[in-house]
Amino acid sequence: ETGVTQTPRHLVMGMTNKKSLKCEQHLGHNAMYWYKQSAKKPLELMFVYSLEERVENNSVPSRFSPECPNSSHLFLHLHTLQPEDSALYLCASSATRARTNEKLFFGSGTQLSVL
Amino acid sequence: QQPVQSPQAVILREGEDAVINCSSSKALYSVHWYRQKHGEAPVFLMILLKGGEQKGHDKISASFNEKKQQSSLYLTASQLSYSGTYFCGTEATGTYKYIFGTGTRLKVLA
Repeated sequence: ETGVTQTPRHLVMGMTNKKSLKCEQHLGHNAMYWYKQSAKKPLELMFVYSLEERVENNSVPSRFSPECPNSSHLFLHLHTLQPEDSALYLCASSATRARTNEKLFFGSGTQLSVL
Repeated sequence: QQPVQSPQAVILREGEDAVINCSSSKALYSVHWYRQKHGEAPVFLMILLKGGEQKGHDKISASFNEKKQQSSLYLTASQLSYSGTYFCGTEATGTYKYIFGTGTRLKVLA
């Protein structure tokens, strides 16, 4: 148990569906992240939130929409996805985002399949 | 642009040693190492911040050669529990963000 919980663990959706991924951290951290992990590819950073403010968006398509209502919760809203978006989506948190000498605490991820 | 890890995969017998390398084309500020078991969250192993720094965690240690822009992870007397995929994450100097490497799948056999 890393203190970061993601739901659901598995999600299958059609290309016209709208769904949301949820992440909750119980560590009192101020920074939260979304990563995408595809087969045989490195972990790709998607979004970074620091103190509930989005500080980084790594050229992610608009069909992915993040939301950070408070420092403990992070959502990833999905709509009109493509089959190539099928992947493991990982949430992570760190105490601060001051410099990257902060270790990341990851959730177990949501395995997403887009049909 | 992401750091390149080698080897891509390695199979060991219990008790054998292994080295995983992580190389970047850019000057580095820090290197992180994580291990991910199948179906589980990546777990932090260690951070190296200074050129030439070495760290150890049980029988797993790492070095960071700032000049060569690379880091190596050393697994000594491997145990079954070491099986998983190892990722390095590197922060290029001045970028304030780090990028994960391609990963190395390690399997330890009894």
